[in-house]
Amino acid sequence: QQKVQQSPESLIVPEGAMTSLNCTFSDSASQYFAWYRQHSGKAPKALMSIFSNGEKEEGRFTIHLNKASLHFSLHIRDSQPSDSALYLCAVRTGGLSGKLTFGEGTQVTVIS
Amino acid sequence: DMKVTQMPRYLIKRMGENVLLECGQDMSHETMYWYRQDPGLGLQLIYISYDVDSNSEGDIPKGYRVSRKKREHFSLILDSAKTNQTSVYFCASSPIVQDTQYFGPGTRLLVL
Repeated sequence: QQKVQQSPESLIVPEGAMTSLNCTFSDSASQYFAWYRQHSGKAPKALMSIFSNGEKEEGRFTIHLNKASLHFSLHIRDSQPSDSALYLCAVRTGGLSGKLTFGEGTQVTVIS
Repeated sequence: DMKVTQMPRYLIKRMGENVLLECGQDMSHETMYWYRQDPGLGLQLIYISYDVDSNSEGDIPKGYRVSRKKREHFSLILDSAKTNQTSVYFCASSPIVQDTQYFGPGTRLLVL
């Protein structure tokens, strides 16, 4: 069964700094990798996703995927207090089941 | 504006009582999901529904059942609720099974 783990558990970042979050997965057949963001008391919301090895950038957010290392990451440039949230990584194994396996989350706090 | 709704938002039940959680979406999405979220455990998939009357167990289906009689509506039923089912329950939907998931606001359930 797919295992997805995130590090660190929590992070405090000064405003304007880079935030880096990590996610490892166990199934080398995984085909879809995503980050969701959840503000306190709110619904998780999809942030970014990637299918193939490499890097993808959208605004201040960059996702890196290295399938050989079973690892992907999210980097937030110029972090803002509004980026304070729980970040969840999610992995989908190949096939038609559609099941996403989520990590436990990293709590990010951006301080002014 | 795409929307997933959940009712009720907060619920207190006694152990042994039956619980009905309702989820609706106005996007004609084929696939719907029920998750529970507990601190330190991320989102755990309870059930997935591929369309009307086409449901499949997720990772933690024990103690739960679901019903989907209309594409826009997906129910989660707890027969004889247990205290360890106290949690926040999220419903989600996606256009097709392998697409981005859109989450509802969640239902906080307390079983005493």
